[in-house]
Amino acid sequence: GQQVMQIPQYQHVQEGEDFTTYCNSSTTLSNIQWYKQRPGGHPVFLIQLVKSGEVKKQKRLTFQFGEAKKNSSLHITATQTTDVGTYFCAGRRGSGGSNYKLTFGKGTLLTVNP
Amino acid sequence: KAGVTQTPRYLIKTRGQQVTLSCSPISGHRSVSWYQQTPGQGLQFLFEYFSETQRNKGNFPGRFSGRQFSNSRSEMNVSTLELGDSALYLCASSLGPSRDEKLFFGSGTQLSVL
Repeated sequence: GQQVMQIPQYQHVQEGEDFTTYCNSSTTLSNIQWYKQRPGGHPVFLIQLVKSGEVKKQKRLTFQFGEAKKNSSLHITATQTTDVGTYFCAGRRGSGGSNYKLTFGKGTLLTVNP
Repeated sequence: KAGVTQTPRYLIKTRGQQVTLSCSPISGHRSVSWYQQTPGQGLQFLFEYFSETQRNKGNFPGRFSGRQFSNSRSEMNVSTLELGDSALYLCASSLGPSRDEKLFFGSGTQLSVL
């Protein structure tokens, strides 16, 4: 079945440093979503990427979707303590039917030292 | 607009018992999906419902079942509970397939099986 691998599993940074998490799928994705889950909270939608090679920015966050639509990354510039949490990618395959389910990566836990 | 509501928030059961969890989606959302979250396995897809029909199902045993009502509210049931069923069960709603597919998660039900 479809697998979505996410690395690293954990990342600890000093405040102000950059952070990147990577997501790789074993199959071509129709789209990919990113979520953030604060400690003790629930996942919150960040963004959806649909097009091959797409790049989207949200303030200090930059999201990329690979040309082959099998990988994606989230980059945070100059991390802040408010960035702490687990970042999940989630990919969908196909255009409908039984295969069109969202598969989550296991997430990257980001901790930031002030 | 009220968010996704899950009840109960916490639940303690013993092995062999059964449990029913409830989810009320955001008003106007017709798709509801369920996820099991554990520290080791991340977010595992259970099932997805749209217009009272199960669209997709994850790789969980038949002890896990669900349904959706005409008002889009959903319930999931776990029968013959096992210790390994201890997890955070998250419900997420969205407008529906081929529309805005971003998921809005509830706060979850923390299930402990003793």
